[in-house]
Amino acid sequence: AQSVTQLDSQVPVFEEAPVELRCNYSSSVSVYLFWYVQYPNQGLQLLLKYLSGSTLVKGINGFEAEFNKSQTSFHLRKPSVHISDTAEYFCAVSETGAGTALIFGKGTTLSVSS
Amino acid sequence: DAGVIQSPRHEVTEMGQEVTLRCKPISGHNSLFWYRQTMMRGLELLIYFNNNVPIDDSGMPEDRFSAKMPNASFSTLKIQPSEPRDSAVYFCASRRGGGTGELFFGEGSRLTVL
Repeated sequence: AQSVTQLDSQVPVFEEAPVELRCNYSSSVSVYLFWYVQYPNQGLQLLLKYLSGSTLVKGINGFEAEFNKSQTSFHLRKPSVHISDTAEYFCAVSETGAGTALIFGKGTTLSVSS
Repeated sequence: DAGVIQSPRHEVTEMGQEVTLRCKPISGHNSLFWYRQTMMRGLELLIYFNNNVPIDDSGMPEDRFSAKMPNASFSTLKIQPSEPRDSAVYFCASRRGGGTGELFFGEGSRLTVL
């Protein structure tokens, strides 16, 4: 079975500062990795995903993440955050192959202030 | 194209009452997922279906919970009898194809059991 650990429950940053949200996963098989974002009172939206190939993946809103197999990590980064990036961010993992479910971490609350 | 539609958006009920949550997935999507979100436990996978067939219901908390998908365009999650600890936001999500596809989430059903 897979599991996901998001190492920080809350990350406060100032506007225009860089940010990194950390995610580690555990699995005995090959995995796909995802980052989702949740704005207040809404469902989750996909930010980016790693399926295979290049370990650096770029997503929407200027976010990117790097897959590190040896460290079983998939950290999310943005070089300069905006107030509008304030939200809950979830890392998720699923086994490769058809029809498997996503297992989510507990989330990291990113709070951007001016 | 309409997204995943959940109803009701909010439900307040008393302990012991039956609760039914409904979900209409995106047309053409063949996988459907039910998740529960709480502050303490984060996003938990309850059950998922592929092609209307339940694949994994190991996340269903106990026999009080049941889920059905009678056809490709409708699913229900039922709690009978409900308890205060069932209070949470319940999300439905759907996906086209296999494990590489993006999950599209509904806006959630916020359940409060008094």
